[in-house]
Parts: sequence; structure tokens; C-alpha cells
Amino acid sequence: EAGVVQSPRYKIIEKKQPVAFWCNPISGHNTLYWYLQNLGQGPELLIRYENEEAVDDSQLPKDRFSAERLKGVDSTLKIQPAELGDSAVYLCASSLGILAGTDTQYFGPGTRLTVL
Amino acid sequence: EDQVTQSPEALRLQEGESSSLNCSYTVSGLRGLFWYRQDPGKGPEFLFTLYSAGEEKEKERLKATLTKKESFLHITAPKPEDSATYLCAVRRQNFVFGPGTRLSVLP
Repeated sequence: EAGVVQSPRYKIIEKKQPVAFWCNPISGHNTLYWYLQNLGQGPELLIRYENEEAVDDSQLPKDRFSAERLKGVDSTLKIQPAELGDSAVYLCASSLGILAGTDTQYFGPGTRLTVL
Repeated sequence: EDQVTQSPEALRLQEGESSSLNCSYTVSGLRGLFWYRQDPGKGPEFLFTLYSAGEEKEKERLKATLTKKESFLHITAPKPEDSATYLCAVRRQNFVFGPGTRLSVLP
């Protein structure tokens, strides 16, 4: 079974440029998460989707970050414009969901963003 | 506010030297405590879920235990391939991760 797929794996941009990350969750997983991970720290939740609905985006900096999950499958996370402090690893995770009796998350490899 | 702390921050062991990692949490209405392993350049890999105090789970050289305020990840006779960062996370409404413990096992 394929795991969570993310692309690109690495991205280097200059500040004020836009950037987008893509995530394809494990087939059948209704819940999708986007996390940000800084070096030496644990992941921090940005947004959680249940199917196509964003049920928790309280930690998403909405002035520059946006996300969407069309048709409840793939998701994209966008930053516009990027700032130096956005340099981090962006992780996507998916789970079957509580209604399926399990909330175990499975993570993708992440996208390492460097803003110059 | 939900908080998760992990200790030690880093741990260096000789191969075969058993030890324990600690995860302390302050959260009301805990809906699960999760342990993950993360290798450099990769996403976290699921290890265990614990739901109630007194619960224990084992996988190869790893054993996770849970009390009302903390969880321990015991590593018995570790091998160099166990070197990684070990993350714990608690779930209430969402997941809150600790900063991790960087484990190095020397041959």
C-alpha cells in the first residue's frame, strides 16, 4: 500500500515569492493534516481536514497561508508571500479518522522549504 | 493549555545499554498518547498508541508505558539502527507534539 505522498521534497525560493506544496494521502483516509516542523522541534498543526471540510485551521496564519482539499482527497498548502521565517519542513499526514475507530496518523516525507 | 515535554533532549547509549525516554504531559481529557520515531530527512513513523493509565505496548526492543501524567519509552539492549529522534504526542481535540529526544546508539 502506498504511503502519504508529498511533492516537491525540497524547495528554495526568495522571500516574497509564492510557493505551493502538494499532498496525496493514503487511499481511503478521510482525515488529512498539515504540520510545520522547525529544526529540533516537534510538528505543529496548521490545519486539519475531515474529508473536504477544514475543521481546525486556528493555527494557520491566514494572512499568507491558504489550503484546500478538493474532492476530499489531495490537498495543497500555499504560502504567498513567503517570509524568511517560513523556512521549515512542511509535513502532511492522514488517518482513517475517529469514526473508523482509529486516529493513528501516517506521515509523508515532508517538503523542506528554504526562503532566502 | 495542553503541553508536552520530553526528556532528555538527547541521549547517547552504547549498544546493549538499556534506558528510558520520558514524555510528560498536561492535558485534560486525554484521548490518546502516541509515540513516533523520526529519522533524519523523513516524516515521523508511528510506533504506539496508549489510551489509559497502566497500559503497556511492546514492539521488538521498545516498550511504551502510560501513567496519568507521563509516558515512558523503554529501550532494551538497543542497536545502532535504533538511533533516531523519538517524538511523543497527546491527543485531545488535536495532536500536540513534544520536541523529541534524539537517541544515538554507538556500536
